[in-house]
Parts: sequence; C-alpha cells; structure tokens
Amino acid sequence: SAVISQKPSRDICQRGTSLTIQCQVDSQVTMMFWYRQQPGQSLTLIATANQGSEATYESGFVIDKFPISRPNLTFSTLTVSNMSPEDSSIYLCSVDEDNRETQYFGPGTRLLVL
Amino acid sequence: GQQLNQSPQSMFIQEGEDVSMNCTSSSIFNTWLWYKQEPGEGPVLLIALYKAGELTSNGRLTAQFGITRKDSFLNISASIPSDVGIYFCAGRRNYGQNFVFGPGTRLSVLP
Repeated sequence: SAVISQKPSRDICQRGTSLTIQCQVDSQVTMMFWYRQQPGQSLTLIATANQGSEATYESGFVIDKFPISRPNLTFSTLTVSNMSPEDSSIYLCSVDEDNRETQYFGPGTRLLVL
Repeated sequence: GQQLNQSPQSMFIQEGEDVSMNCTSSSIFNTWLWYKQEPGEGPVLLIALYKAGELTSNGRLTAQFGITRKDSFLNISASIPSDVGIYFCAGRRNYGQNFVFGPGTRLSVLP
C-alpha cells in the first residue's frame, strides 16, 4: 500500500492567516484527495487534486478558500486561507491506489485556529 | 445524495467480548471499505470488500459484503484494549466515483 506523509502534523494559527499543508506519497498515484474531519465528525471530501489541471471541489468548498496544487503524481498541497476558528479541524490527504479499489489516508494535519 | 448509516453509534464492551457493527445505505455499492481511526492518527484501512456475499478476515476482524449490496458488517472477536478507536465504513458504486463515508462507530474496551 502507498505510504503517505503530511506536513505539518499539527499547527496553531491566528485568525486571518493562511496555512499550507503538504502531502507526499512514496509512489506515483493518479488520484489524490483532500478531506476535512471536524471534531467528533466523519470525513468530508474537500476536493480532488488533479495533476496538471485545476482541482475539482465538492459542494460547499471553493478554490479561494482552499487552493490546491498538484505539480506531479506524488505531491500535493492544500492551503487553508484567511483562517477562522471554524477551520479548526483535521485535514487529511488520501490516495486511490491505481488499479485497485482501495483508498489510503495520510496521518492528518491537526489545525487549531485561535 | 448517498448517505451511509452506522450502528451502533458507540459501544462499550468488556475485554474478551466479541463486537458486531454494521453499515447501511439507501443505494447499492460495489465496493465497501472498513477503516479504524485511533486518536491523533489518520484512518487505517482494515478490510476491502468487492463482491456481494464476500466474507473477508484480517486477524480477529471479519467483514462481510451484504447480499443486497446495501450493507456491510464488521465483527471483531475477543476484543483487546488496542481495539479502541472509531470504525468507519465507506462505500462506492463505481470506480472513479468518490467514496461515501459513514459517521463511524466509537468502540471503547473496558479492562
């Protein structure tokens, strides 16, 4: 299975600032995703990070708030812009393993906005 | 949109007991995944199911793909303290579509 790492693992940020989260996979994958997990909740898909084109956002999430980069098949970034306390969550990177119907998650980035 | 329900929402069991939980959907899925998430960690894939009626084991864990394709079950035998965590199910109708995640079952194991 793919090994996924995320940076930072956690951060405490001031409102109004932005944080960029990095996701690195140890193998090339076609599909990479970003999820949000609010405290005590399940996983909500933010967007699919597409290599070479703009990310595909789910309803309720917009590019201005959550810009995403996908420069190659092993790396992606998610930026949480103009943060407010409501953005305090765990942000998870995920990949679909090519040709197999499985999805793996990174360890997550725990964000607290004050 | 598609939604998954998980039952029970939470459970407290004694160490050594067996555990059963399920996941139901109003839609048919062709892939079911079961994850475990421990505090401070990302979800870890436990079992993947691809065929109606399929029964798959991973150590003390056994999961089944319901014949109706609208449900899946996870059983844990002889629970131990390290089984504590939140168990999520996820389903997908077709490859290329996004997985839908259930709300999770929170498991606590009492020594």
